[in-house]
Amino acid sequence: EVQLVQSGAEVKKPGESLKISCQAFGYSFSTYWIGWVRQKPGEGLEWMGIIYPDDSDVRYNPSFRGAVSFSVDKSTNTAYLQWTSLRTSDTAMYFCARHRGYCSGGSCYLDNWGQGTLLTVS
Amino acid sequence: QMTQSPSSLSASVGDRVSITCRASEAIDNFLHWYQQKPGKAPKLLIYDVSTLQNGVPSRFSGSGSGTEFTLTISGLQPEDSAIYYCQQSYFTPPKTFGQGTKVEIK
Repeated sequence: EVQLVQSGAEVKKPGESLKISCQAFGYSFSTYWIGWVRQKPGEGLEWMGIIYPDDSDVRYNPSFRGAVSFSVDKSTNTAYLQWTSLRTSDTAMYFCARHRGYCSGGSCYLDNWGQGTLLTVS
Repeated sequence: QMTQSPSSLSASVGDRVSITCRASEAIDNFLHWYQQKPGKAPKLLIYDVSTLQNGVPSRFSGSGSGTEFTLTISGLQPEDSAIYYCQQSYFTPPKTFGQGTKVEIK
């Protein structure tokens, strides 16, 4: 069974750094794109970008490029989302999701999701 | 850009409901639908316009092509109360979501 298990809720201050995690179970981690989706309180879903664990190829949504970074640790099947300087506007739920398909352009859909990590910056 | 309509709807158990998703440009058949219940992660319902994800009830169906797509629930059930999102993957990045449609049960 595919499972994505995310790290717990975080409360941080503006300007602080943070790295949240998403550990994958039940499939070949290196061979599926894995990405991040932001959901601000009461709002819709925003696709942040994806990373291919096998070679760490990254595709950022231009709206998020420079504000966050993605990384992976293949030894622990874990993906990371990192901020170097948090803002109050980063307050949101963050989901990781396995992407299935041809994600360089074509059929690419999010078939398994983590439970979400709630980030509060205040 | 992906635009969903309506933003919300209210229907009775057993009704047939439809949600439309329009793309600003043609996106081939790279259109997918998700369901999100309160406090939960989204769940994939349909991918590539009309292919039902494993385990999704057959009352859910998808159709469309080019720039206009539809998610239909045939025989609305109480557990279908949720927000539904479309998402395109033709253009990348980003793989844009629609703004969501809230479905409520009368």
